[in-house]
Parts: sequence; structure tokens; C-alpha cells
Amino acid sequence: NAGVMQNPRHLVRRRGQEARLRCSPMKGHSHVYWYRQLPEEGLKFMVYLQKENIIDESGMPKERFSAEFPKEGPSILRIQQVVRGDSAAYFCASSPQTVGANVLTFGAGSRLTVL
Amino acid sequence: GENVEQHPSTLSVQEGDSAVIKCTYSDSASNYFPWYKQELGKGPQLIIDIRSNVGEKKDQRIAVTLNKTAKHFSLHITETQPEDSAVYFCAAKTSNTDKLIFGTGTRLQVFP
Repeated sequence: NAGVMQNPRHLVRRRGQEARLRCSPMKGHSHVYWYRQLPEEGLKFMVYLQKENIIDESGMPKERFSAEFPKEGPSILRIQQVVRGDSAAYFCASSPQTVGANVLTFGAGSRLTVL
Repeated sequence: GENVEQHPSTLSVQEGDSAVIKCTYSDSASNYFPWYKQELGKGPQLIIDIRSNVGEKKDQRIAVTLNKTAKHFSLHITETQPEDSAVYFCAAKTSNTDKLIFGTGTRLQVFP
């Protein structure tokens, strides 16, 4: 079991470009969560998805950010027209069903640097 | 919504001593409280968790206690070792959603 796979591990973008971060959940897991971690800070919830559905996006910025988890393939976190403040580590976690019954397993993260 | 506060932000101990990290939460209906350890450059890893129907749970050198009345829970690490050095996060699951709300983290340093 390869665990939660995130790529790229490091991504550098210039202001105004787009960033796409990918997350493949653990085998058998159908729930995906994205968290953002600013330097020296905690993990902030962004969005919770199941296959083809966004369940809770209360932590997503209203503009430029979007997420999807298609029927086939990884979950994608997309940031359009990046700004320096988007520089952070973005972590994906997965669970087989609701958190109440099962724990979240995190990936190693994708570190975005905006120049 | 749920809010989780964590103290201290940094903690330095001598190898062999105990370390205690405390968290408080705001939503009295929260029912699941995990603790994660994050090493430099890595993702958080679950080390122990507790549910609201239990007051204490222990796994070798680590233990977690939960006081539902006071809405706080604590992580206890005994006989600390240098490899325990990391950032530790507490979290709470909100009552009506499936998202974990995290504390701000505690950077633990264990000196040999």
C-alpha cells in the first residue's frame, strides 16, 4: 500500500501563473481532504471531497481556488493566478469513510513557492 | 464553528523527562480527538487518538487524556528521546461535519 501520494512535492510558480496539485488517495479510500499549512503555522482545512462530489468547501478562498475528485484519477487542487501569499505546503489526506469511523492518513505534501 | 487552542507553542525537555501538551476545544459535541506528529519536511502522522466515550488512552510511552466537562485534552510523552523531537498537532472533529480542526502546533525539542 503506497499510502497517500502527492505530486509534485515542490512547485515553483511566478505570480499570475496556475498551480495544479495532485493527490492519489490510499487504495480503497474514497474521501479526500485538502489542508494548507503556512510556514510555522498549523493546518487549515480547505475542502473535503468524495468521488465526483464536493462535500465541504468552507475553507476554500472564494476566488482562484478550486478542487475536484473525478471518478477516475487523482484529486486536483487548482490555484489560478497565484500570488505570493499562496506560498505554503498543501497537504492531502484520505479516509475510507467518514472520519468518525476512520482516521485521516496524510500525504507528504506539496510545497508551493510563488516568486 | 469548532476552535482548537494548543499550548505551549514550543517545549524543550531533557532526554528522559516527560512532556505534556494541552489543547482546548470549543464545540461540546466534538467526539473525536487525534494527535499528529510532523517531522521536518514530512506530512503529519497519527500517533494516538481518543473518542469522547473514553477518558484516557495509553500506547507505550504516549498517553492522551480527555476531560469533556472542561473541554480539554492532553498528550503525555514519558521517557522522551531525541527522536521524539517534532511538531505535534492536536485536532478535534466537529459535531456535524467530517473535517478535523487542528491546533496551532507545539514544537518539541528533546535534548540528549
